[in-house]
Amino acid sequence: DAGITQSPRHKVTETGTPVTLRCHQTENHRYMYWYRQDPGHGLRLIHYSYGVKDTDKGEVSDGYSVSRSKTEDFLLTLESATSSQTSVYFCAIYSGFEQYFGPGTRLTVT
Amino acid sequence: GQNIDQPTEMTATEGAIVQINCTYQTSGFNGLFWYQQHAGEAPTFLSYNVLDGLEEKGRFSSFLSRSKGYSYLLLKELQMKDSASYLCAALDSNYQLIWGAGTKLIIKP
Repeated sequence: DAGITQSPRHKVTETGTPVTLRCHQTENHRYMYWYRQDPGHGLRLIHYSYGVKDTDKGEVSDGYSVSRSKTEDFLLTLESATSSQTSVYFCAIYSGFEQYFGPGTRLTVT
Repeated sequence: GQNIDQPTEMTATEGAIVQINCTYQTSGFNGLFWYQQHAGEAPTFLSYNVLDGLEEKGRFSSFLSRSKGYSYLLLKELQMKDSASYLCAALDSNYQLIWGAGTKLIIKP
């Protein structure tokens, strides 16, 4: 499983509240990614990181920010959650030529 | 723009063979991936093709034609546990994965 954990695994929050999701890896991988997955859509890249404090935007970055202050942790923050951000969020790392995924966080914004 | 197309859903019978097709258009190309995703779980890696041709791995095989922008995943001797979604993804010139929406495979006894 490439040593990837995500927390929380499930969360229900109200519109307008900030939310932070955490991705933690234990194998010192340089590249980390945040995706969202919605029915009828492929996995869509939100943000990614290529090292400590080095991050870049993906295709659906509006309304999201990230931080990576340590190699092992990559945080995704929804600054003011909206119902359109209800989704399943996956963290991933690159190892070799493959991406390995964390177990996912199911977020519901009411 | 960049685009990956694959069928939304397919049905097959236990013990049979099924082929899941994927066509892609990307800015540059550095390989084609197939992932399996069971309901409620994370995607897991199945195969990677960067050269034309067929790669075989047990009951699963994956084919790539770069000139046609086409790939398929072939599953043989289908088992009930193969019921899952199968995701096609192409690696573009920036080494970012562009994902299809996935094909839900239903296996009937």
